[in-house]
Amino acid sequence: DIQMTQSPSSLSASVGDRVTITCRASQGIRNDLGWYQQKPGKAPKRLISAASSLQSGVPSRFSGSGSGTEFTLTISSLQPEDFATYYCLQHNSHPYTFGQGTKLEIK
Amino acid sequence: EVQLVQSGAEVKKPGESLKISCQASGYSFTTYWIGWVRQMPGKGLEWMGIIYPGDSDTRYTPSFQGQVTISADKSISTAYLQWSSLKASDTAMYYCARHEGLSSPHPDSWGQGTLVTVSS
Repeated sequence: DIQMTQSPSSLSASVGDRVTITCRASQGIRNDLGWYQQKPGKAPKRLISAASSLQSGVPSRFSGSGSGTEFTLTISSLQPEDFATYYCLQHNSHPYTFGQGTKLEIK
Repeated sequence: EVQLVQSGAEVKKPGESLKISCQASGYSFTTYWIGWVRQMPGKGLEWMGIIYPGDSDTRYTPSFQGQVTISADKSISTAYLQWSSLKASDTAMYYCARHEGLSSPHPDSWGQGTLVTVSS
């Protein structure tokens, strides 16, 4: 199975900060990676597919990059509604695997 | 608009059986994979498996193989997740998700979740 190591597991930041979350795959997954945002009590929402393609309706302050084994999600200027938990998901090979999640909290 | 509407919360006893559902609308049900994701209380997301309703091809994460059954009824555009004998450790929120892409399908649209509580 492909292991996804996501870091950090939690992050305190302020409105307006730039934050970066990283996912490392235990083997190459090309760009078969998505980023998801989950708010408490809600279903996950896809932000980015194919490592760097922003989903329609997602603010442009979100961006993704990477290929192979290392991937990043960057939020360029945190807004109050961005405080949530973020997950990466590799869908290169079965079984698909999520990262452990990054809880983004207000400082 | 793609919509996935899941069945309501369930409270069951250990050893009981259960089948939860996910009704899809707004797209061609038989041409997208649809799958299930588990979230145990206070924990992260776990991808369980997917089914292609067009031909019932099904893939499972090994830890869930044999523990649950994923099925679909294309006549009513509904996917199912089923247990034959629940355990307390099955207590979790379960999300269905449409998977976009044929060669490397991945979740794009999600249901609202079904909370399953297993307790004696």
